[in-house]
Amino acid sequence: DTEVTQTPKHLVMGMTNKKSLKCEQHMGHRAMYWYKQKAKKPPELMFVYSYEKLSINESVPSRFSPECPNSSLLNLHLHALQPEDSALYLCASSLLPTGELFFGEGSRLTVL
Amino acid sequence: TQLLEQSPQFLSIQEGENLTVYCNSSSVFSSLQWYRQEPGEGPVLLVTVVTGGEVKKLKRLTFQFGDARKDSSLHITAAQPGDTGLYLCAGGETSGSRLTFGEGTQLTVNP
Repeated sequence: DTEVTQTPKHLVMGMTNKKSLKCEQHMGHRAMYWYKQKAKKPPELMFVYSYEKLSINESVPSRFSPECPNSSLLNLHLHALQPEDSALYLCASSLLPTGELFFGEGSRLTVL
Repeated sequence: TQLLEQSPQFLSIQEGENLTVYCNSSSVFSSLQWYRQEPGEGPVLLVTVVTGGEVKKLKRLTFQFGDARKDSSLHITAAQPGDTGLYLCAGGETSGSRLTFGEGTQLTVNP
């Protein structure tokens, strides 16, 4: 299994909603990532989990809250988002930090 | 944080033409990865180069890592419409903490 699975593929939420994005991999990778990507721009790193511990938080606003329940799962909890947070949210995993990234297909988020 | 400059930012060519995408930095990287992303999908790894001067070929794609490990290039021969996509270079920082992405090259190959 060489896939990173993200759900949901599309999400529309209001600014007062609470929602979560989910990511799963079964490749035995020990590093997992959340990236945010705007149209035709490169992915921007948000968070890195290494061996299930948060190792990098790129000064992301607290309305984004990551969680790594186990080595295969990564969640991103969303609360009180702003319209400018609308973007493609990509999950990725790698065998080791700065290793080759395996990306999921992304969750397209629209904040109204 | 180390920076990667990628050029050109946009490229629109006809089927059958050749093209080269460049990725440059003043910093040394431990490795350089190239990804391609198609609309509605996540980036997919094409190749990783780790040794200065290394050249790797993937069918019509040729990847090169500079001798000083500060720059890389991607050359596509006889481009096809299926090559259309966003090409991203990403450098592994020598500190080992993260990947640095270039700004991307949006390639369109017209039939």
